[in-house]
Amino acid sequence: QVQLVESGGGVVQPGRSLRLSCAASGLPSRSYGMHWVRQAPGKGLEWVALMSYDGTKKYYADSVKGRFTISTDNSKNTLYLQMNSLRAEDTAVYYCAKDQGGGSDGMDVWGQGTTVTVSS
Amino acid sequence: QSVLTQPPSASGTPGQRVTISCSGSSSNIGSNSVNWYQQLPGAAPKVLTNSNNQRPSGVPDRFSGSKSGTSASLAISGLQSEDEADYYCAAWDDSLNGWVFGGGTKLTVL
Repeated sequence: QVQLVESGGGVVQPGRSLRLSCAASGLPSRSYGMHWVRQAPGKGLEWVALMSYDGTKKYYADSVKGRFTISTDNSKNTLYLQMNSLRAEDTAVYYCAKDQGGGSDGMDVWGQGTTVTVSS
Repeated sequence: QSVLTQPPSASGTPGQRVTISCSGSSSNIGSNSVNWYQQLPGAAPKVLTNSNNQRPSGVPDRFSGSKSGTSASLAISGLQSEDEADYYCAAWDDSLNGWVFGGGTKLTVL
């Protein structure tokens, strides 16, 4: 059974950086695309980033392009989201999610989320 | 403003059938499959229907998705109190080269 566990959230000042991690277990290595999706307090879901199953393609929402970077460490079965130049509007619960296929089939397994608060 | 448009709220009584709509465009729903997600209060989202419009194991057959042109719908039959949650549609957008979500529909079971 696939399990995703996020970590790395916390309170950070505007303009600073933070790196989120998502540890995956029970997942065939590099067989699926992986996403980051966030949810601001009291708001809906917003897709943030996608890495294709083979790691060769990365896609980002316009709201984070140039500031956030998605990556993986296959040896650790871990997905990362490096977040730079953080803004107050980046405050949200961040979920990692496995894609049903290579990346364009949709999220079918979600982690429990980690909370990021950007505040001075 | 979400790329996919959903009604902010819906309601029904136990046993009733409720549908939630999701309107998009030719670059998302019109050319790609739609996934539906349920988010119970305080929990992570859970997939209800996947890219093949199928229900993953464990999802009751009371939930069904459909699509026509640039719109999609989620139907919930035999409404139960535990169905009270937020529901989101999502699709890949060929123009944005990314995934887009609807704004979410809060379902209340009266």
